[in-house]
Amino acid sequence: QKEVEQDPGPLSVPEGAIVSLNCTYSNSAFQYFMWYRQYSRKGPELLMYTYSSGNKEDGRFTAQVDKSSKYISLFIRDSQPSDSATYLCAMSGSNFGNEKLTFGTGTRLTIIP
Amino acid sequence: DTAVSQTPKYLVTQMGNDKSIKCEQNLGHDTMYWYKQDSKKFLKIMFSYNNKELIINETVPNRFSPKSPDKAHLNLHINSLELGDSAVYFCASSQDGLGYTFGSGTRLTVV
Repeated sequence: QKEVEQDPGPLSVPEGAIVSLNCTYSNSAFQYFMWYRQYSRKGPELLMYTYSSGNKEDGRFTAQVDKSSKYISLFIRDSQPSDSATYLCAMSGSNFGNEKLTFGTGTRLTIIP
Repeated sequence: DTAVSQTPKYLVTQMGNDKSIKCEQNLGHDTMYWYKQDSKKFLKIMFSYNNKELIINETVPNRFSPKSPDKAHLNLHINSLELGDSAVYFCASSQDGLGYTFGSGTRLTVV
């Protein structure tokens, strides 16, 4: 079993819909939770990160962490065609550079105009 | 002005050859990484360096050897390339260990 599980999709939704992306994990030492977006043939780029449980909002994006269930989510409101990409969750036990990020496999999202 | 740049972008080579990938970052970050992304998009860490010092060395064959001449550069040399080495290799840098800045990747194809 992988430490971080993520439904690979693909997920297709119409423009303007709310998108929900999720990851589950097994390592209770994870404290920092991140979402990266990766466009085709590009490197991943950081969208947002949260520490421990709770919600964080940034524009149309909301990240949620439920450590008791070992479950994290990313919500995208008013989805746009430019949101079409692969979304990767990532986790770490600390914010020290000597700790690696553990990534999910990514969910491929397509927003249909 | 590219923050993390990798060269080359594409590399096609025969089995058994030796090749190098170069990475440079101009962000002033202390830590640099090499990640491998397989055909299913799974990103797995290979190495990380902090201020030229090797910090993370995952279970990677000895054929892979990273080198960091200074904290802005991290190169990856691969000996005796095998078919299974075909993947996209990403270099990244970070100051806080969380917000990675990735390069655009080197797509390696071994034939």
